[in-house]
Amino acid sequence: GNSVTQMEGPVTLSEEAFLTINCTYTATGYPSLFWYVQYPGEGLQLLLKATKADDKGSNKGFEATYRKETTSFHLEKGSVQVSDSAVYFCALNRGSQGNLIFGKGTKLSVKP
Amino acid sequence: NAGVTQTPKFRILKIGQSMTLQCTQDMNHNYMYWYRQDPGMGLKLIYYSVGAGITDKGEVPNGYNVSRSTTEDFPLRLELAAPSQTSVYFCASTPQGEGRAEAFFGQGTRLTVV
Repeated sequence: GNSVTQMEGPVTLSEEAFLTINCTYTATGYPSLFWYVQYPGEGLQLLLKATKADDKGSNKGFEATYRKETTSFHLEKGSVQVSDSAVYFCALNRGSQGNLIFGKGTKLSVKP
Repeated sequence: NAGVTQTPKFRILKIGQSMTLQCTQDMNHNYMYWYRQDPGMGLKLIYYSVGAGITDKGEVPNGYNVSRSTTEDFPLRLELAAPSQTSVYFCASTPQGEGRAEAFFGQGTRLTVV
């Protein structure tokens, strides 16, 4: 079946550090891949997405590249800020119903 | 621009009580979803709807019911609350079911069953 595996948290970084959150997936066909972010006390919001192999999604300094050969969609940011502290979810979508399949989430804390 | 609105934000229920979680969206999206989020477990799909009058089960539907009488509203009903239903519930919508569309989420309802 379809599934998403992302690195366990929590992840604690100092401001301006480099961030990588690993995400791999299992799916038949060609899913679309997403990163959603959840700030404290809020719902999820789309951070970035990629809909086909080799696509790179980017937003707010975050990037992720859809790697079909390694079935991965790792999230990266060159210099994190305190305001990036949140829970990050990797997700895929390949169904006609449009529902997302989520990883377990990775909590990021950035210290000043 | 309201987007997806959920009420209530918090609720405490006693075992065996019932309640309805409300969800409404003003984006004229056909597809709507209910997810539950348990600590360290990501989000699991409870029910979804592809349009008014059409609903279907997701991964974890037991203990829940839904209805979709209008495009805007997609309430989730708990008939006999159990401690296992303690969770954070999120409603979401997309303009279509095709996989590339962004999902819009409400702020969530934190439910505790005691």
